[in-house]
Formats: sequence, C-alpha cells, structure tokens
Amino acid sequence: GQQLNQSPQSMFIQEGEDVSMNCTSSSIFNTWLWYKQDPGEGPVLLIALYKAGELTSNGRLTAQFGITRKDSFLNISASIPSDVGIYFCAGVNTGNQFYFGTGTSLTVIP
Amino acid sequence: NAGVTQTPKFRILKIGQSMTLQCTQDMNHNYMYWYRQDPGMGLKLIYYSVGAGITDKGEVPNGYNVSRSTTEDFPLRLELAAPSQTSVYFCASSYDTDRIYEQYFGPGTRLTVT
Repeated sequence: GQQLNQSPQSMFIQEGEDVSMNCTSSSIFNTWLWYKQDPGEGPVLLIALYKAGELTSNGRLTAQFGITRKDSFLNISASIPSDVGIYFCAGVNTGNQFYFGTGTSLTVIP
Repeated sequence: NAGVTQTPKFRILKIGQSMTLQCTQDMNHNYMYWYRQDPGMGLKLIYYSVGAGITDKGEVPNGYNVSRSTTEDFPLRLELAAPSQTSVYFCASSYDTDRIYEQYFGPGTRLTVT
C-alpha cells in the first residue's frame, strides 16, 4: 500500500516553543489532512488542505500543501501542555483513497 | 449529537471466535469507514460505504466483512479471529459533499486475539 513518511517520529519540547513536522510521499495527493489523536481516543481533524501551495491556519496551527503535491507541513506556534498527543497526516488520492502517516508523538514539557 | 459511537470499547477473543464491532452515527452522513490502527502505525482502511446497501473494500479487507442496512449503522464482522487482527479499530463517517474528506472518528474498539 501507499506509504506516507512522517517526521519526526517524536518530539520533546518546552512549553512556548514552536513545533514543525512534515509528511512526504512518493505519490501525488489531491488533498492533505492533519489529525490529532489523544490517548484512547479517535483522531480529530485539525486542518484540511485542498490545493497545491495552499497555506491554512487554525488558531496556533498552520499547515501547507506542498507545491509538488507530494508533501505537507504542520506548524504549531507557542506550544501549550494540551498540545500533547500524536499528530497524523493523511493524503487522499484521485481515487478518494485515504493513506495515513505513522504519526508524530509530541510531548510538551511545562 | 453523540457523533460516532462504537461498542464495545475493549474485547478479548480466542483464536477462531467471531464477533461484530458496532458503529453508529447520528449526523446523517452517507459515508462511513472502518480503519485499524496497529501500534506505532497510521490507520489503514478496511472497508467503506458510500450509502445504505453499498460497501467496498479498502486497503486491508481480508478477514473482515461489513454490511450497511441503514444510514446510521455500519457493523464490522470478524468471522474467524486471528492474532494478526489484534488492533484498535476505528469507525468514521463523513459528508458526501465537498467536505467528504472531513471524517469524524469514533473512540475506537481495542481488540486482542489470543
């Protein structure tokens, strides 16, 4: 199946720092999505990107749809303790098939 | 709205047993999905449905069956449980409009097969 490479695998940061993570693929996607998953819960959609080059914000979160359509980036500014969780990217291809990355585990140290 | 609900939350099965994972949504979504999530991995699509009476295979359908008799319910059936099916199972639903990709997930069912 399709593989999305997500990096870094894990991050340990101080409260207040900014966070960057990315997702890359060998194939083109038409849509990129970013989710956050808390322990014992299902993923929650944070941001959806529908056009190459698109830059979209949701509060302290900003995500970009890469120009090549093979990558996407998520930034979190001024991290707070409740940002802790696992962040997943997902790509959707022309056949409306979803492929998820392996996740970035974020720990915020107060 | 309760959103997407799943039962049970946890289950332990012996090899060869069968069970049905229940999923219900109250958002009147036509699209529903079943995913599995193995430790340290992303979600993989098992089956999906675009409406009542219509289902289709995803990336990893072997060993599973689904049905969709109503808009609200999308049960996932394991007929002969195997250790490889130990995983966390998530059900999701979405609109069938330009927001099709905005999936709403249930809390998951943690299944162990021993």
